[in-house]
Amino acid sequence: SYELTQPPSVSVSPGQTASITCSGNNLGDKYACWYQQKPGQSPVLVIYQDTKRPSGIPERFSGSNSGNTATLTISGTQAMDEADYYCQAWDTSTVVFGGGTKLTVL
Amino acid sequence: VQLLESGGGLVQPGGSLRLSCAASGFTFSSYGMRWVRQAPGMGLEWVSGISAGGGSTDYADSVKGRFTISRDNSKNTLYLQMNSLRAEDTAVYFCAKDDGLSGHAFDIWGQGTTVTVSS
Repeated sequence: SYELTQPPSVSVSPGQTASITCSGNNLGDKYACWYQQKPGQSPVLVIYQDTKRPSGIPERFSGSNSGNTATLTISGTQAMDEADYYCQAWDTSTVVFGGGTKLTVL
Repeated sequence: VQLLESGGGLVQPGGSLRLSCAASGFTFSSYGMRWVRQAPGMGLEWVSGISAGGGSTDYADSVKGRFTISRDNSKNTLYLQMNSLRAEDTAVYFCAKDDGLSGHAFDIWGQGTTVTVSS
């Protein structure tokens, strides 16, 4: 079965750029999306179709996907961006999530 | 645009439960729908999906043969029938709307309903 791998944790200083990776076999041939989840809340879609931002998502969130790796980039990271982030892809009618990355802003 | 789950609770191992997800604010019958769960302290796990018309369904291997997804487009409601429940099914269950685009992102999520399987 298809698998997506994320680093368990990423740390970033306020105002700096955070990058969270998601690795999977030929992931660049599929569409990747990203969700943000804060404690006790439901996930929120922040990037879809590799690079697109839903309405209401700040411009500091961006995405890319090539080769075996998709990347979520948060520019000018703010304290409010501290959360768990999950990548997701669609593989032959099944949905695959990465294991999640805890972003710490310190 | 809203999804509201219900039906969670405490159930003994081997028991059954039916979850519901009431949709509002969008044309429910036009979109695929999914169930996703999250065990305590763990990540997201896709459980099941159903096409807009209900004619096509998919399941994670972990629930295949035990769970059944269905929908009633006349009632704007999604269901998940869960049988032969196990301790490892304990989780918050979210329903989510497929965005209908290539890539199948989930653009709307419910607040979740908690299922606890324990004796």
